[in-house]
Amino acid sequence: EAGVTQSPTHLIKTRGQQVTLRCSPISGHTSVYWYQQALGLGLQFLLWYDEGEERNRGNFPPRFSGRQFPNYSSELNVNALELEDSALYLCASSLLGAETQYFGPGTRLLVL
Amino acid sequence: GIQVEQSPPDLILQEGANSTLRCNFSDSVNNLQWFHQNPWGQLINLFYIPSGTKQNGRLSATTVATERYSLLYISSSQTTDSGVYFCVNSGGSNYKLTFGKGTLLTVNP
Repeated sequence: EAGVTQSPTHLIKTRGQQVTLRCSPISGHTSVYWYQQALGLGLQFLLWYDEGEERNRGNFPPRFSGRQFPNYSSELNVNALELEDSALYLCASSLLGAETQYFGPGTRLLVL
Repeated sequence: GIQVEQSPPDLILQEGANSTLRCNFSDSVNNLQWFHQNPWGQLINLFYIPSGTKQNGRLSATTVATERYSLLYISSSQTTDSGVYFCVNSGGSNYKLTFGKGTLLTVNP
């Protein structure tokens, strides 16, 4: 069974640009979560989607947004990139109500 | 919000040594989990352990929910055990995982 997949694996952008990260959950999982792991800040919860709806949001500005598609895959969009957005962005998936989440390999974003 | 404190922050071991990692919580334990992040960034679930003790090979974990702490034991460590170990709690039904800052483990050959 395929695990959570993310694309791209690496990305370099400049300040002010916009970026879209993609995530495909494990087959059968309806919930998708996004996390940011920035140097010195640890792993922080960004967004949770389930059945196409945003269920919870972390303490991030509105320029971080996303959506979940009918096939449960998800996109994370970041507008007006800032240098401090440089981080590893991790996607996870689970069944709704499941006791654990399964993580993808992440997308490394570097903002210059 | 929930505070998760992990100790020690860094640990260096020789291959074959044993170690204990600790996690303390400021609030009640919900969906307590331990993860290992390898040097390439991949997060792997080790244990889901809101209470009690579980073992998986050389790893075992114990959570004492009433005292708000959890322990991860690594026995006969191997170089492949290197990486960051995270203790994770979630608050109630929102499934927002709160990660500790992790313990960076380095196992030298």
